[in-house]
Amino acid sequence: TQLLEQSPQFLSIQEGENLTVYCNSSSVFSSLQWYRQEPGEGPVLLVTVVTGGEVKKLKRLTFQFGDARKDSSLHITAAQTGDTGLYLCAGPSGTYKYIFGTGTRLKVLA
Amino acid sequence: DSGVTQTPKHLITATGQRVTLRCSPRSGDLSVYWYQQSLDQGLQFLIQYYNGEERAKGNILERFSAQQFPDLHSELNLSSLELGDSALYFCASSDGTDETQYFGPGTRLLVL
Repeated sequence: TQLLEQSPQFLSIQEGENLTVYCNSSSVFSSLQWYRQEPGEGPVLLVTVVTGGEVKKLKRLTFQFGDARKDSSLHITAAQTGDTGLYLCAGPSGTYKYIFGTGTRLKVLA
Repeated sequence: DSGVTQTPKHLITATGQRVTLRCSPRSGDLSVYWYQQSLDQGLQFLIQYYNGEERAKGNILERFSAQQFPDLHSELNLSSLELGDSALYFCASSDGTDETQYFGPGTRLLVL
């Protein structure tokens, strides 16, 4: 059974600080996606990484896919209160199925 | 706004009852996915439909069923409801060309 474990589970930081959240699996994924979910809303796709070792940047967010395609990380530089939310990684599991990670709940304090 | 709509937004019902959740995908999207999100289980994939046909099944209970209609909207039917079925239910849609899924705002179900 494929699993996506995220760490840390909770993170509370001050505005302006940097942070990294991790998504790990013992299985190889053809691709991984990162979503952000705000209270009362559905997840919103941030990025999809498909190549081992790939690095993608989205403004202050940097996403990396591990060389072996078993893990990924999300680094936020100079966090802002608007970054607060639940960050989820997700990947395909079998044909047309998807699994989501356990999530990292981030709170950025002003 | 993702373009995916879900109704109702909130639903309160009693154990043993049956409810129907409705989802309208983004215009042009042929795929619809259903997910359940609870505090202890996270976001769980339930089922996927593509152009009216069931394409994949995840951790969907036998008490739950879904269908996608010719106009591409989808319904998730939950029957013999139990307290543990209380959760957020999300629908997502995609055009099938890549893995991008667009999520609706969800239906919050509370079973008392």
